[in-house]
Amino acid sequence: QKEVEQNSGPLSVPEGAIASLNCTYSDRGSQSFFWYRQYSGKSPELIMSIYSNGDKEDGRFTAQLNKASQYVSLLIRDSQPSDSATYLCAVNEAGAQKLVFGQGTRLTINP
Amino acid sequence: EPEVTQTPSHQVTQMGQEVILRCVPISNHLYFYWYRQILGQKVEFLVSFYNNEISEKSEIFDDQFSVERPDGSNFTLKIRSTKLEDSAMYFCASSEVSRTDTQYFGPGTRLTVL
Repeated sequence: QKEVEQNSGPLSVPEGAIASLNCTYSDRGSQSFFWYRQYSGKSPELIMSIYSNGDKEDGRFTAQLNKASQYVSLLIRDSQPSDSATYLCAVNEAGAQKLVFGQGTRLTINP
Repeated sequence: EPEVTQTPSHQVTQMGQEVILRCVPISNHLYFYWYRQILGQKVEFLVSFYNNEISEKSEIFDDQFSVERPDGSNFTLKIRSTKLEDSAMYFCASSEVSRTDTQYFGPGTRLTVL
């Protein structure tokens, strides 16, 4: 059974600070990695995708991938109260046509 | 911006009844998916669909479940005889070209089985 693990939180960060979210995965053959944001009662909304080792930046968000360590992270700079949500790490299972999700990390940004 | 749509937003049904959840994927996408999320739990894969056939399904997707693309735009999930434990949010998703492409999710249908 392929697993994706996240710290469920809650993670509390002051407004304007950097929020750091982490994820590990078990399937060494996975090639595609995604961060989704999910507000309560809503559907997953794509934040970032990353496919290669290293960093990928998009505005205030930076995704980091280390395939050797089977580790993906998401940094949110200049955190805003509107960033308060659950952040889902999702990994495309190798050779399969499906995403495996972590349980999500609940992030709260305190004004 | 194109988006995945789903209807209804909320479906209430009696145990043992059949339900059909509907989705309209993004128009140029070729891969379609159903996921579900029981309240407070992970998002779980149910089934993927490509070229008018199921390409993968999870152990959750048993004989009570079926999917269909009845026309060029709709993608449906049918649950033949609902159980209490089928109560969940059901999300449809689609992706453009390959199995590693980003999947875009619809707003979901909340299914409540009484």
